[in-house]
Amino acid sequence: AQTVTQSQPEMSVQEAETVTLSCTYDTSESNYYLFWYKQPPSRQMILVIRQEAYKQQNATENRFSVNFQKAAKSFSLKISDSQLGDTAMYFCAFMNGVFGNEKLTFGTGTRLTIIP
Amino acid sequence: KAGVTQTPRYLIKTRGQQVTLSCSPISGHRSVSWYQQTPGQGLQFLFEYFSETQRNKGNFPGRFSGRQFSNSRSEMNVSTLELGDSALYLCASSFVGGLGQSYGYTFGSGTRLTVV
Repeated sequence: AQTVTQSQPEMSVQEAETVTLSCTYDTSESNYYLFWYKQPPSRQMILVIRQEAYKQQNATENRFSVNFQKAAKSFSLKISDSQLGDTAMYFCAFMNGVFGNEKLTFGTGTRLTIIP
Repeated sequence: KAGVTQTPRYLIKTRGQQVTLSCSPISGHRSVSWYQQTPGQGLQFLFEYFSETQRNKGNFPGRFSGRQFSNSRSEMNVSTLELGDSALYLCASSFVGGLGQSYGYTFGSGTRLTVV
């Protein structure tokens, strides 16, 4: 079974600064996907970024980028030029890449607060 | 393009009753998953449907069931409600590519179920 660990329950950072959220996972699979989801107080879970395990290049989406270290089973999220709208719970998630086994395993989340 | 629609948004039920929650996925998405979110247990996978077939099931009692219709809409049912079933129930849909590749799940806003 896969496990996802987020060791930072809460973080806060000043607006416009850069923040990195940590995530580690454990799996014996070689084909999988990793995701970061954001859940603001509105409770809608929003996909922030997606990484395919077979791709060595780190995924980037505007101000959001990941540092994917496959050997270390680490998948951290970096938010650059943080904005007030980035305040939310952030969940790291793992999904097996085998067709027919598309279930997400989530970490416990990191509550990020952007301070004006 | 319309997102994932869940109805109702809020629900209050009495212990022992049953409840049905509805989810309409994004057009073209054939995979629909359900998750339970509670402060104590976090996000837990309930089940996943693809083309009207349940492909995966989480570790929940048989009181939790679901189904998917030919138009990919899905319902989940909880019978004999217990106080511990109070939670946010999230539905998510995904497009699965021809080679089985996944592009990540898009979530609905959830149904907040309170059992009294």
